[in-house]
Amino acid sequence: SAVISQKPSRDICQRGTSLTIQCQVDSQVTMMFWYRQQPGQSLTLIATANQGSEATYESGFVIDKFPISRPNLTFSTLTVSNMSPEDSSIYLCSVSQGRTEAFFGQGTRLTVV
Amino acid sequence: TQLLEQSPQFLSIQEGENLTVYCNSSSVFSSLQWYRQEPGEGPVLLVTVVTGGEVKKLKRLTFQFGDARKDSSLHITAAQPGDTGLYLCAGAEVYQLTFGKGTKLSVIP
Repeated sequence: SAVISQKPSRDICQRGTSLTIQCQVDSQVTMMFWYRQQPGQSLTLIATANQGSEATYESGFVIDKFPISRPNLTFSTLTVSNMSPEDSSIYLCSVSQGRTEAFFGQGTRLTVV
Repeated sequence: TQLLEQSPQFLSIQEGENLTVYCNSSSVFSSLQWYRQEPGEGPVLLVTVVTGGEVKKLKRLTFQFGDARKDSSLHITAAQPGDTGLYLCAGAEVYQLTFGKGTKLSVIP
């Protein structure tokens, strides 16, 4: 298994500002994933972040709104840009080991006011 | 787009009761996983089922994968307050996971 540290754990932000979420893994992993979990909804994949290449975004998510960095095999950041109340959600960092079993950070609960 | 339907969406039961949660899809997945998520935490993997008809047990939890690998169930025997949480099923295909909306379980002491 992997231990994933995500921060901040929660934040309240003003609309129009940006927030960068950090994800640190205790071992080297090839693929890191960023999910969004809106209240009462399932986990939705935002993008897959591979070291040394640009992130791959899912339909409905764009790099200008959710820029991602992956400088090495243990770290990634997700920025939520120009926030609006609709961005209020839980953002989760995840890694896969072996088959597709996923390990998650504790999540970042974002509230945009 | 592959979709996973979970039922029931909410479940509130008394301690000691049994319950079953269902996860259904119209598509076949190479494997199916169950996670539990507690408030303020990320989902934690409980089990992965791979083979059609497979049954796995984890203490009081029994997981079953349908013969056609499109559906799964989670049965909890003698539920405890510590079982309270959001139970998510996820279908795996290549490196992608598709999550259901989850079943929110409350076990009342």
